[in-house]
Amino acid sequence: GAVVSQHPSRVICKSGTSVKIECRSLDFQATTMFWYRQFPKKSLMLMATSNEGSKATYEQGVEKDKFLINHASLTLSTLTVTSAHPEDSSFYICSAFKISDSAYEQYFGPGTRLTVT
Amino acid sequence: AQSVTQPDIHITVSEGASLELRCNYSYGATPYLFWYVQSPGQGLQLLLKYFSGDTLVQGIKGFEAEFKRSQSSFNLRKPSVHWSDAAEYFCAVGVIKAAGNKLTFGGGTRVLVKP
Repeated sequence: GAVVSQHPSRVICKSGTSVKIECRSLDFQATTMFWYRQFPKKSLMLMATSNEGSKATYEQGVEKDKFLINHASLTLSTLTVTSAHPEDSSFYICSAFKISDSAYEQYFGPGTRLTVT
Repeated sequence: AQSVTQPDIHITVSEGASLELRCNYSYGATPYLFWYVQSPGQGLQLLLKYFSGDTLVQGIKGFEAEFKRSQSSFNLRKPSVHWSDAAEYFCAVGVIKAAGNKLTFGGGTRVLVKP
């Protein structure tokens, strides 16, 4: 299989602090990972594409200085929400891209619920 | 740019009844199409995908979908719904079979299953 984990699953932080979310591909290497944000009862919004060893590519309207992405290895990407505010509260989901002869798809993590008080 | 529309925000079905979820996409060439399911508070699980070949695609959990190019549709079906199928369903389109492929998601359809 292809398993993607996220840590933590839930986090509550105070306004003004920073929070780091980890996304790991457990049994495969992923040169590309994606970070999504999902608002309640809404669809997934792509925030950025994380490429191992290079800078992330952010979607229009996403503040790169606020949402720092680091893809330091083939199995780990991190999203850091800097100086978090209540409007950053959301469900953050990562995915990792796996390509093989029989597979070509994104595998999604279980998500991280961020609440900023 | 590609787009995906799921016209139905909510669908309620009785357990044992059939289910069809609609998905329409907009893209100039042959798209790569996906259906995902999301249980409350969870990530997404792939139900099935279409890249090429047979336009009727079988997936997990008894789901199938049919790609109709003339209608730009990729509707998801299940002959007999189980209570555990209550979830949010997302249709998605990708346009490049490469590591940089980005998925565009539809707005989702929430399925409620009545006993």
